[in-house]
Amino acid sequence: AQRVTQPEKLLSVFKGAPVELKCNYSYSGSPELFWYVQYSRQRLQLLLRHISRESIKGFTADLNKGETSFHLKKPFAQEEDSAMYYCALSNKDSNYQLIWGAGTKLIIKP
Amino acid sequence: NAGVTQTPKFRILKIGQSMTLQCTQDMNHNYMYWYRQDPGMGLKLIYYSVGAGITDKGEVPNGYNVSRSTTEDFPLRLELAAPSQTSVYFCASSPYAGTYEQYFGPGTRLTVT
Repeated sequence: AQRVTQPEKLLSVFKGAPVELKCNYSYSGSPELFWYVQYSRQRLQLLLRHISRESIKGFTADLNKGETSFHLKKPFAQEEDSAMYYCALSNKDSNYQLIWGAGTKLIIKP
Repeated sequence: NAGVTQTPKFRILKIGQSMTLQCTQDMNHNYMYWYRQDPGMGLKLIYYSVGAGITDKGEVPNGYNVSRSTTEDFPLRLELAAPSQTSVYFCASSPYAGTYEQYFGPGTRLTVT
């Protein structure tokens, strides 16, 4: 079965420190992977997708097919990065519907 | 553009009651989705639609029904509410599936007691 695992429910780091939010997936084919973010009192929104290979708000994520991971990284955390982060997987076997991880709450301490 | 709107924001139902959660999008998107999110869990797909008149089941469709008579509207119907349906419900839309971004509504917090 396809699955997305975010092993940390909560991650707390100091402002200016590096951040890495982990995402592991189980799927043997070619996945489409996404990071969505929900800031306090805002809607869930797309942060980035692996196919775009972009950096958004200083965040990057690299697809590692060997380790089946798509970790989200930022070299220097900012207080405004505090939010819930969700990793999601899409592929032809799921009819291209999203399969979601449980989310990681990121808290940036001043 | 209002994007995706959902009503109501909150609702308390008694066991056995029915209700409809409304979802409207003004982006002319083909795809629309209903998810539920239980505490500490990821989103689970209830139903989705690829266009007006076409709907399909997601991962957790039992106890729910949907219809899609227009491109804009995708209501979710709960019949005979049960405590297990206590959850936060999100509606979303996207132009297509696959790598396309999904745009979310603000959510409806439903409690069944």
